[in-house]
Amino acid sequence: QKEVEQDPGPLSVPEGAIVSLNCTYSNSAFQYFMWYRQYSRKGPELLMYTYSSGNKEDGRFTAQVDKSSKYISLFIRDSQPSDSATYLCAMSARGSNYKLTFGKGTLLTVNP
Amino acid sequence: NAGVMQNPRHLVRRRGQEARLRCSPMKGHSHVYWYRQLPEEGLKFMVYLQKENIIDESGMPKERFSAEFPKEGPSILRIQQVVRGDSAAYFCASSYTADRGTDTQYFGPGTRLTVL
Repeated sequence: QKEVEQDPGPLSVPEGAIVSLNCTYSNSAFQYFMWYRQYSRKGPELLMYTYSSGNKEDGRFTAQVDKSSKYISLFIRDSQPSDSATYLCAMSARGSNYKLTFGKGTLLTVNP
Repeated sequence: NAGVMQNPRHLVRRRGQEARLRCSPMKGHSHVYWYRQLPEEGLKFMVYLQKENIIDESGMPKERFSAEFPKEGPSILRIQQVVRGDSAAYFCASSYTADRGTDTQYFGPGTRLTVL
């Protein structure tokens, strides 16, 4: 079993839709949870960072962490064509928090 | 403030040759990380370096791969005697610190290595 599982998609939605992306993980030591966005042929860019369980909101983006279920989510409201990218979840454990473990990424296309 | 710089952006090598990938961290950052992204796979941690020190190389293959971050100049990821399986995108990231929760790692654009 992979440490982090993420549905690769692809996911295609119309502009304005609410997008839900998620990852599951198996390592209970993970404490830090991140979502990165990666445009084609570019490096990953940090979108959201959450420590332990809970919700965090930033503009149109909401990150949720449920440690009891080992499940994290990213919601994008009012999606825009510029949101079209690959979304990567990443996580790390206390004591080696610099060592990010990534999901494979979900390719999202928002159609105008 | 310039971001993380990586060069070359694309590198083609024949089997058995050496590949040198360079990474200049963001200004003020002294922590550098290398990740590899194989086709259809997620990014995998390779190594974490501070100036003149390798802190964690647990993700590096034991043979042919080495990394350094000298006092002056960029970090270098070196792959000797490349094989086709080394073909991948190699990303460098840097951060200001590494000991306060998870400090943001800023990623470079990557070097895409193709081994013929």
